[in-house]
Amino acid sequence: KNQVEQSPQSLIILEGKNCTLQCNYTVSPFSNLRWYKQDTGRGPVSLTIMTFSENTKSNRRYTATLDADTKQSSLHITASQLSDSASYICVVSAQSNYQLIWGAGTKLIIKP
Amino acid sequence: NAGVTQTPKFRVLKTGQSMTLLCAQDMNHEYMYWYRQDPGMGLRLIHYSVGEGTTAKGEVPDGYNVSRLKKQNFLLGLESAAPSQTSVYFCASSYSSRVLDIQYFGAGTRLSVL
Repeated sequence: KNQVEQSPQSLIILEGKNCTLQCNYTVSPFSNLRWYKQDTGRGPVSLTIMTFSENTKSNRRYTATLDADTKQSSLHITASQLSDSASYICVVSAQSNYQLIWGAGTKLIIKP
Repeated sequence: NAGVTQTPKFRVLKTGQSMTLLCAQDMNHEYMYWYRQDPGMGLRLIHYSVGEGTTAKGEVPDGYNVSRLKKQNFLLGLESAAPSQTSVYFCASSYSSRVLDIQYFGAGTRLSVL
């Protein structure tokens, strides 16, 4: 069964600190992996898309890694800001844009 | 640039009532999608459309109907609402179904069925 599991479910860190969110998947065939940010009361917004051949991809203070062999991905947030408080969702694409497997997300809270 | 707009933002229904959720996008996207998001679960695809006049079932289509009469609009209908349909509904659109195309989301409709 295609599944995407994220850990931790929730995380609280102090402003300015770094954190890493984890994503494990069992999706076949694998096409790409995406990270979305979802602010409370809003729709998800794409942060990054990684294909099979990409190991690392950065977007400002966000760095995503992908290990296709172990089927794991991580999202590292550097020097966190209050505006980083949100849910971060890992999404794995099987073959097309309508075959996305969504994780349940990690709720990140940044405290001042 | 409005992007993807969903109406209404909130709605409360009684069991058995019907309603239609409207999604409009101004990005000239071919593909549109309806998802539902429930606590502790990932988004689940209800229905999607690959172009004007076409619709297809997603992962959880039962109890919902859709229509795509115009390219920019995608309607989601509940004919006889049930408490199990209490959820947050998101509409999304993308230029195509190519695997690297980004889906752009609306702000969601929060629906409660009593």
